[in-house]
Amino acid sequence: GNSVTQMEGPVTLSEEAFLTINCTYTATGYPSLFWYVQYPGEGLQLLLKATKADDKGSNKGFEATYRKETTSFHLEKGSVQVSDSAVYFCALIAFGDTGRRALTFGSGTRLQVQP
Amino acid sequence: GAGVSQSPSNKVTEKGKDVELRCDPISGHTALYWYRQSLGQGLEFLIYFQGNSAPDKSGLPSDRFSAERTGGSVSTLTIQRTQQEDSAVYLCASSLPYNEKLFFGSGTQLSVL
Repeated sequence: GNSVTQMEGPVTLSEEAFLTINCTYTATGYPSLFWYVQYPGEGLQLLLKATKADDKGSNKGFEATYRKETTSFHLEKGSVQVSDSAVYFCALIAFGDTGRRALTFGSGTRLQVQP
Repeated sequence: GAGVSQSPSNKVTEKGKDVELRCDPISGHTALYWYRQSLGQGLEFLIYFQGNSAPDKSGLPSDRFSAERTGGSVSTLTIQRTQQEDSAVYLCASSLPYNEKLFFGSGTQLSVL
């Protein structure tokens, strides 16, 4: 079956530090990969996505590159801000099954950015 | 509506009682998902509706859980004879047909005492 593994949190950083949140996956077929973010008190929202190998998704200064050879989709940001404090979820949807399947999510990584 | 609406936002119930959770998706979104988020856990897929197709119920954890979607819009998730392990945040999401961008509601926090 499909699965997503991401690093456990919380990740605590100082403002302007470099961020990496690791994500690896197992999937049948050719998955599309996503990062969702959940800010305090809000619902999950799509942050970025990549639909094929070597694609780079980017949004709000965050980037993630679809690495098929390492089955990874690590999230990075060069300089985090306090407002980036949230829970980040890596997710995938795999095609090629008998029917479309819902997104499979990782367990989430809480990021805390201190001023 | 402007976004996915879920009600109630909080529900406290006694063990053994039945509960109903409601989701009102974004107008025009034919796909609707239910997920469960337990403390310290990821999002657990429960059920997926797409238009008039038979729903994908493969994530429902037991036969105490059921969901329906009336008129292709509002969905109700029902949990019968609630147990303490059912305590979690129940999230609903909707999307355009076969679109990978999901819009999530704020969830219903269910507490079973």
